[in-house]
Amino acid sequence: GAVVSQHPSWVICKSGTSVKIECRSLDFQATTMFWYRQFPKQSLMLMATSNEGSKATYEQGVEKDKFLINHASLTLSTLTVTSAHPEDSSFYICSARVAGRWETQYFGPGTRLLVL
Amino acid sequence: AQSVTQLGSHVSVSEGALVLLRCNYSSSVPPYLFWYVQYPNQGLQLLLKYTSAATLVKGINGFEAEFKKSETSFHLTKPSAHMSDAAEYFCAVSVFGNEKLTFGTGTRLTIIP
Repeated sequence: GAVVSQHPSWVICKSGTSVKIECRSLDFQATTMFWYRQFPKQSLMLMATSNEGSKATYEQGVEKDKFLINHASLTLSTLTVTSAHPEDSSFYICSARVAGRWETQYFGPGTRLLVL
Repeated sequence: AQSVTQLGSHVSVSEGALVLLRCNYSSSVPPYLFWYVQYPNQGLQLLLKYTSAATLVKGINGFEAEFKKSETSFHLTKPSAHMSDAAEYFCAVSVFGNEKLTFGTGTRLTIIP
């Protein structure tokens, strides 16, 4: 149980295009989902927290117009990198939390984005 | 704000030897501490967590960690390494009621046959 999937696992795009990454909780309802970014040999950095049906809360320094997050249902959150540039190339990881269990997050396998 | 420091970005141990991965934390309030493991091309999996109950925490796959307030540490150990333990390990911290996790930089564990 408690499986989180991400799609796609790999994406290569041209500079200036937009890329959408999906995060799904497969066997549970996730009231809260988190989006992280991981640079090589660095920590996972929290980008934003999204709650179903409401606007995402972005961490300081994260451009909300650049990284659009939508949490339209209890099993799906999407991250759209708009007008991607090479510096947006990174590993993006989502996680999902079950209501009432604040301390437990289930992580997706990550999406590697390469912007050319 | 909370933070964790993982000492050693790479650790190599022989199969059957003791595994010790180090994590030190910084927090102005009592912390909640976590160890996660990440296998190649997979998501992070929770190994164990400390949430202010017993200071010695046992997790999955034979791992355990001890919370030592005096040393601000939460080191991860396993008595006998197995080849399947090769992975990236992350220490993370949060505080009660705050679901945000702050991660360390990770330690890559290599098992030598």
